[in-house]
Amino acid sequence: AQSVTQPDIHITVSEGASLELRCNYSYGATPYLFWYVQSPGQGLQLLLKYFSGDTLVQGIKGFEAEFKRSQSSFNLRKPSVHWSDAAEYFCAATTSGTYKYIFGTGTRLKVLA
Amino acid sequence: EAGVAQSPRYKIIEKRQSVAFWCNPISGHATLYWYQQILGQGPKLLIQFQNNGVVDDSQLPKDRFSAERLKGVDSTLKIQPAKLEDSAVYLCASSLVQTGEQFFGPGTRLTVL
Repeated sequence: AQSVTQPDIHITVSEGASLELRCNYSYGATPYLFWYVQSPGQGLQLLLKYFSGDTLVQGIKGFEAEFKRSQSSFNLRKPSVHWSDAAEYFCAATTSGTYKYIFGTGTRLKVLA
Repeated sequence: EAGVAQSPRYKIIEKRQSVAFWCNPISGHATLYWYQQILGQGPKLLIQFQNNGVVDDSQLPKDRFSAERLKGVDSTLKIQPAKLEDSAVYLCASSLVQTGEQFFGPGTRLTVL
């Protein structure tokens, strides 16, 4: 069955430290991949997406993600975290065949001052 | 550009009562999604419309949930009768194309007592 897995439920980093949030997918073919961020009481906002081509994708707010086919992963990174990055982050995937989006369970990021 | 609008933002009802949520997508977006997000989980797709046709409703509990998108624009999601386990945030999203970026509304937080 198709699935998206985010192994880390909670992550705590200090402000200014680097960040990596993990995402693994299980699909028959390479899906389209997305990272969304959700602040408390808000809807989700797209950070970046991967459809094909360059495996390193740049997004908004200084985030980037790297697609690794061999590891079925699409990890989100940021070199220096800001306090305002504290939120919940969701990885999602879909395919052109089903058009059905599957979201991971999310990683809640806490930033220490 | 106006975003995805949802109403109400909050709703408290007792079990076995009925409730309806409304969503107005971004103008021109053909694809509309309803998600259920239970606390601590990622969004789960309930139903996906392409214009006014249903693309996927495999995870919609059809004995109590119904949704429509008349004229291919705004949409309503109804629960009748509600159960305690329906307490969640109901998110509406829209996209220009089926595999494109989804734009989310702020959600409706439903509490069933």
